[in-house]
Formats: sequence, structure tokens, C-alpha cells
Amino acid sequence: GENVEQHPSTLSVQEGDSAVIKCTYSDSASNYFPWYKQELGKGPQLIIDIRSNVGEKKDQRIAVTLNKTAKHFSLHITETQPEDSAVYFCAASRGNSGNTPLVFGKGTRLSVIA
Amino acid sequence: NAGVTQTPKFQVLKTGQSMTLQCAQDMNHEYMSWYRQDPGMGLRLIHYSVGAGITDQGEVPNGYNVSRSTTEDFPLRLLSAAPSQTSVYFCASSPEGLGGNTIYFGEGSWLTVV
Repeated sequence: GENVEQHPSTLSVQEGDSAVIKCTYSDSASNYFPWYKQELGKGPQLIIDIRSNVGEKKDQRIAVTLNKTAKHFSLHITETQPEDSAVYFCAASRGNSGNTPLVFGKGTRLSVIA
Repeated sequence: NAGVTQTPKFQVLKTGQSMTLQCAQDMNHEYMSWYRQDPGMGLRLIHYSVGAGITDQGEVPNGYNVSRSTTEDFPLRLLSAAPSQTSVYFCASSPEGLGGNTIYFGEGSWLTVV
């Protein structure tokens, strides 16, 4: 089955700097790669996703890149702000094919220092 | 908009006791699932349902039962609680498939088994 590795497990950045979180996956048939943000005491919430027919996707200060050949994808947050402090999870799946569920990475705790 | 509602928020159980975590969604989503979140382990799928009357096992189903008698409700039953079931539990729902589109999480249920 799918295995998703996520690095680093913790990340501290100064406010205004960029943050990058990287994930690798094992199933070459995976084609959907979402990122979830979990604030303290809350459930995870989707912030951005990318499908295998696209190499990069941006939404304001966040972007995700995908390298299917190398089986890795990354989350980039620019101009970080204190409210970006949270736990971020990457995930992978075969999309809706066969109703295969998402497999999550173990999470990255991002701390933005003001 | 209530979204996905979980009760209780916090619970302490004694080893061997049974209990039910309630989950309800008001978005008319066909797909529902239960995850557990442990430190350093990310989110792991316990059970899922692709529609009323249909349930299936995820990655870590042992010690848990589910049922789906209505589209709205998806309770998780702990049959005989063990300390290893101390965790944060998240219920989730999605409109299209288990892993190909946005998953909406509840706010979590913190369970401690002593």
C-alpha cells in the first residue's frame, strides 16, 4: 500500500521568512496530493491540493509543487505570519479510483516566531 | 453551518469499559470515516463508510465497531477500552469519494483510557 514520509517533523522560522515542508510517497498510481493544516485543538482543514496532471499550484502565499518522477511533493509558505503556526499534514491517494482513502504523513509542527 | 459534529469532546474511561463516540454531519455527504491521531503517528484510518448500510475497515480497526444506519450519523464504538486506545479521534465526511477531494473533519474527541 501507499506510504507517505514527511519532513521535517518540526520547523521554526522567523516571521516573514519562507517555510518548506517535503513529502515523498511510494505508490506510483497515486494522483491526488492534498495538504491539511491543523490548528491547536481543532480538526485538520484542507489548505491546498494538487493532482498529478499539474506540476505546481499557488494560492496567495502558499504553493505546492509535485515531481511525479521522483515521487515527491512540497508545500511552500512565503512571508510567514504568526497565524501560520500549526501542524501541517501531507497526504496521497489514488483519487476516487476504487475509493482508496488518503494516506497521511506524520505531520510537521511549524512555529513562526514574531 | 454545523458541518461535522463530534461528541463528546473529552472522555475518560476505565480499562474494559465500552463507549460510543458520536458523529453527525449535515452536508448530505455519502462518505464518512474515523481517524485516530497519536503523537508522531499522523492520522490513521480506523473505519469508513461509502454510504448508509455500508462500512469497511481501515488501517487500524481492531477494538472498534461502526455502523451507518443513516447518511447523517456514523458512531464509533469502543468495545472494551484499553490504554492503547488513548488518542484523539476525528470523524470526517466527504462528498465525493474517500481520497480524491476535500475531506471535512470534526473538531475531535479526546479520549483517555486509564
